[in-house]
Amino acid sequence: EAAVTQSPRSKVAVTGGKVTLSCHQTNNHDYMYWYRQDTGHGLRLIHYSYVADSTEKGDIPDGYKASRPSQENFSLILELASLSQTAVYFCASSERGNNQAPLFGEGTRLSVL
Amino acid sequence: GDSVTQTEGLVTLTEGLPVMLNCTYQSTYSPFLFWYVQHLNEAPKLLLKSFTDNKRPEHQGFHATLHKSSSSFHLQKSSAQLSDSALYYCALSDPSGSWQLIFGSGTQLTVMP
Repeated sequence: EAAVTQSPRSKVAVTGGKVTLSCHQTNNHDYMYWYRQDTGHGLRLIHYSYVADSTEKGDIPDGYKASRPSQENFSLILELASLSQTAVYFCASSERGNNQAPLFGEGTRLSVL
Repeated sequence: GDSVTQTEGLVTLTEGLPVMLNCTYQSTYSPFLFWYVQHLNEAPKLLLKSFTDNKRPEHQGFHATLHKSSSSFHLQKSSAQLSDSALYYCALSDPSGSWQLIFGSGTQLTVMP
């Protein structure tokens, strides 16, 4: 069964600390995405990748880095976490093509204090 | 750039009444349109996506018709159920090559008994 698994499911971080969110997919999809969810803003794209060892900036990349070491794994890194990065983060994967609907993971709830 | 507008942030209605959630879009191209549904503390899941021909997608009693003349893809259901209470996102695919989805801000649907 197609799956996107995120870890951790929730995390509390301190301001200025480093946070790494991980995502693993078993779908053999080329594309992987990191979205941020905030009330009133919907889902906004942070970074995406279409091949291992390469990442691209999305619409709101500032303050975030991404890493795609393999086709299955895609990480989101907050080098210096800030209060404004408190949000729910979703990873997704999809096949190539603009009629392909991404499959989402269960999300990671991040609180930066 | 491309964008999706969902004008209603909150919709509350009584069980058994019809549902219509609005979605309009702006795009230079002819994008694919999607509806996702997200129940509380769950991942967004694909509900519907548009077809290239004039077929009307349907799923779980919901349907949506792509009207290119008015750039709309409204979501409809003839009779709301309590279990339909959820957050609904309209999205379009970015045909520029990233194939990312551009999401609207979402509509929270609450169905009352």
